[in-house]
Amino acid sequence: GDSVTQMEGPVTLSEEAFLTINCTYTATGYPSLFWYVQYPGEGLQLLLKATKADDKGSNKGFEATYRKETTSFHLEKGSVQVSDSAVYFCALSETGNQFYFGTGTSLTVIP
Amino acid sequence: GAVVSQHPSRVICKSGTSVKIECRSLDFQATTMFWYRQFPKQSLMLMATSNEGSKATYEQGVEKDKFLINHASLTLSTLTVTSAHPEDSSFYICSARYPAGRTDTQYFGPGTRLTVL
Repeated sequence: GDSVTQMEGPVTLSEEAFLTINCTYTATGYPSLFWYVQYPGEGLQLLLKATKADDKGSNKGFEATYRKETTSFHLEKGSVQVSDSAVYFCALSETGNQFYFGTGTSLTVIP
Repeated sequence: GAVVSQHPSRVICKSGTSVKIECRSLDFQATTMFWYRQFPKQSLMLMATSNEGSKATYEQGVEKDKFLINHASLTLSTLTVTSAHPEDSSFYICSARYPAGRTDTQYFGPGTRLTVL
């Protein structure tokens, strides 16, 4: 079945450091891949997505490339800010109905 | 676009009472909405898929009679936790599918924090 494996946290970085959160997936077909962000006490917000192999999703300085050969969708940002502190979820969906989420990675950015 | 709201954002109730949570798509029509439950520091667990005009589809292990779902219009789905108990305390999040099709995306509401005393 479909599943998402996400790098365990928590992750603590200094401001302006480089961020990578690893995400790999297992799917029977050709899923769309997503990164969602959850700020404390709030719901999930779509951060970026990619719908086919080699697509790069990007938003707010974050990027992730859909790598079919390595079944990965790692999230990166070149220079994190304190305001990026949140929990990040990797997810996949083949149909748009059933979403499979990773366990989430908590990021704390310190000044 | 694609904004989903939830009401209330927080609710505290006594054990044995019922609580209704509303999920609305504000700027689009959603034939399908989803209800998730999130435990502290954990991922989201899909509870049920809410389909406009028909019965909800529940995930295995979710009690239909305890978590009543109604999707009466294209912009509103409700989740009623009946006879709530402390173990039902959790963060409940809804989402709506937009737009229709293979590459659509789920947009999430801000969540409802339920505390049962």
